[in-house]
Amino acid sequence: GENVEQHPSTLSVQEGDSAVIKCTYSDSASNYFPWYKQELGKGPQLIIDIRSNVGEKKDQRIAVTLNKTAKHFSLHITETQPEDSAVYFCAASIRDDMRFGAGTRLTVKP
Amino acid sequence: DTEVTQTPKHLVMGMTNKKSLKCEQHMGHRAMYWYKQKAKKPPELMFVYSYEKLSINESVPSRFSPECPNSSLLNLHLHALQPEDSALYLCASSQDPGGSSYEQYFGPGTRLTVT
Repeated sequence: GENVEQHPSTLSVQEGDSAVIKCTYSDSASNYFPWYKQELGKGPQLIIDIRSNVGEKKDQRIAVTLNKTAKHFSLHITETQPEDSAVYFCAASIRDDMRFGAGTRLTVKP
Repeated sequence: DTEVTQTPKHLVMGMTNKKSLKCEQHMGHRAMYWYKQKAKKPPELMFVYSYEKLSINESVPSRFSPECPNSSLLNLHLHALQPEDSALYLCASSQDPGGSSYEQYFGPGTRLTVT
């Protein structure tokens, strides 16, 4: 089955700096790669996603890149704000079977 | 509107109790999911329903019994649980399990404690 690895497990940045989280996946059949933000006591919130036929996608301060050959995808957050502090999960999906990375706890210091 | 609702928010049950978790969505989504999330861990897939039919069962113990009465509702029936089953149970839905839209939208979860 699919195995998703995510790094780093914790990330601390100063407000205004950029944050990068990286994931790798094992199953070349995976074709959909979402990123979720989970705040304490809440369910995961979809923040951005990318499909296997696209190399990069951007939505305001958030961008995701995908390298299918290397089976890598990354989340980039620019101009970080304290409200970006949360746990971020990457995931890889084949149709309705989605597997998550272990998560990254991002702390943005004011 | 991408809202998935779950009830109850919190549940405490003994090992001999029978209880049910409920999930509802009104987005016309045709796939619904149950995930289990332990503290400081990612969500783990338990069950997937596509068009009201069970399509994935991740070898979940029989003390967890899913039910999809219609396309908007998903239940998880609990019986004879163990303390290690204490976790956040998340429901999610997605638009078209057989097509190209795979975005899954999660509910807030039910925090389950088994005593």
